[in-house]
Amino acid sequence: DAGVIQSPRHEVTEMGQEVTLRCKPISGHDYLFWYRQTMMRGLELLIYFNNNVPIDDSGMPEDRFSAKMPNASFSTLKIQPSEPRDSAVYFCASTTGTQETQYFGPGTRLLVL
Amino acid sequence: AQSVAQPEDQVNVAEGNPLTVKCTYSVSGNPYLFWYVQYPNRGLQFLLKYITGDNLVKGSYGFEAEFNKSQTSFHLKKPSALVSDSALYFCAVRPPWAGNNRKLIWGLGTSLAVNP
Repeated sequence: DAGVIQSPRHEVTEMGQEVTLRCKPISGHDYLFWYRQTMMRGLELLIYFNNNVPIDDSGMPEDRFSAKMPNASFSTLKIQPSEPRDSAVYFCASTTGTQETQYFGPGTRLLVL
Repeated sequence: AQSVAQPEDQVNVAEGNPLTVKCTYSVSGNPYLFWYVQYPNRGLQFLLKYITGDNLVKGSYGFEAEFNKSQTSFHLKKPSALVSDSALYFCAVRPPWAGNNRKLIWGLGTSLAVNP
């Protein structure tokens, strides 16, 4: 299996622009998680899905952030409009309800100027 | 509040010496416990987990961890450190949530430096 796939790997954008991050979970995994990692705040869970349905979005910073999972093999995290404080590494992870172990993608390094 | 503590921001050890990275937790019930490692500019990689059974869990790359229920600890250990073990280590705990809740509570990470 190819593992969790994220794109793009790097994104540089200007403040106010829309940013879309993409994730393809491991085939057969029914849980998908979006995390953000910064030096200041460490690893934060933003939102996670089970069977394409959002279960907990309490970590989403504000209305500028939105996430969707239109099918079992694809999810997006969108930031609109982006701000410099959104600069971070964003990780996607997936697992199954019985396996428990979360498998992480390589991350998207976002820089908002 | 449920929490995970990694009391050391950084651990330094000489190559060949044993290493320990500490983790304690404050979670009610019987949690699931995990260790992950993050190498520079990479995603987190699973090392090992404790669900039930033997308190000593063996994982990838020669690492092991011991679950101590009375001390609510899950320290990561390796008998002989390698320079290539230098990385950021995260402890995570899944409380016995009901239903389809799979949220993990994460420690802040411990940076391990193994010196040649």
